[in-house]
Amino acid sequence: DTGVSQNPRHKITKRGQNVTFRCDPISEHNRLYWYRQTLGQGPEFLTYFQNEAQLEKSRLLSDRFSAERPKGSFSTLEIQRTEQGDSAMYLCASSWELGLNSGNTIYFGEGSWLTVV
Amino acid sequence: AQTVTQSQPEMSVQEAETVTLSCTYDTSESDYYLFWYKQPPSRQMILVIRQEAYKQQNATENRFSVNFQKAAKSFSLKISDSQLGDAAMYFCAYRRNAGGTSYGKLTFGQGTILTVHP
Repeated sequence: DTGVSQNPRHKITKRGQNVTFRCDPISEHNRLYWYRQTLGQGPEFLTYFQNEAQLEKSRLLSDRFSAERPKGSFSTLEIQRTEQGDSAMYLCASSWELGLNSGNTIYFGEGSWLTVV
Repeated sequence: AQTVTQSQPEMSVQEAETVTLSCTYDTSESDYYLFWYKQPPSRQMILVIRQEAYKQQNATENRFSVNFQKAAKSFSLKISDSQLGDAAMYFCAYRRNAGGTSYGKLTFGQGTILTVHP
């Protein structure tokens, strides 16, 4: 069990460019979550998947953001036409849940830092 | 919508002493979980302790314990015999259990920075 893995760990990009982050959850975890965290603040929910189905998207996830989990394993979070306000740490997390239950531990990755200049 | 509030942006404690971090939350649900997560500087968030809302008994994990007051919607974390390694940002979080919409995701408070003095 290698934990939740995120790549790249750091990304500096120019405003207007597209960026993609990858998350590899703990193997056999069926739920995968994306959060955004700015300095000194708590993480804010973006979206989550159960297997390959995207179950919920936050209003924070504008049209420029898209997340996929094509085979129910790894996930990607793409930000198109980046803006300076997108600068943040993007956290991925995973858990294993039976059906609709939501009581098991959610494990977090180390995050991917995005700086838009 | 559920909200979680941590009213102490920063707390400090002497090594080996006890400190309590406060958290309040707002929900109309009855089936939920509460968590305390620890986030050391530049390191990943890890679970410290969890509490099921249906359980009256307060959860404990070694030096960490909670005071869960369901009616008051209060969920504080007590750290006993504080150690230097306890220094971190601590987040209180709420998670609704199954049913309806918006279940499964964690809603976090703003965090409390804990400093431990040797």
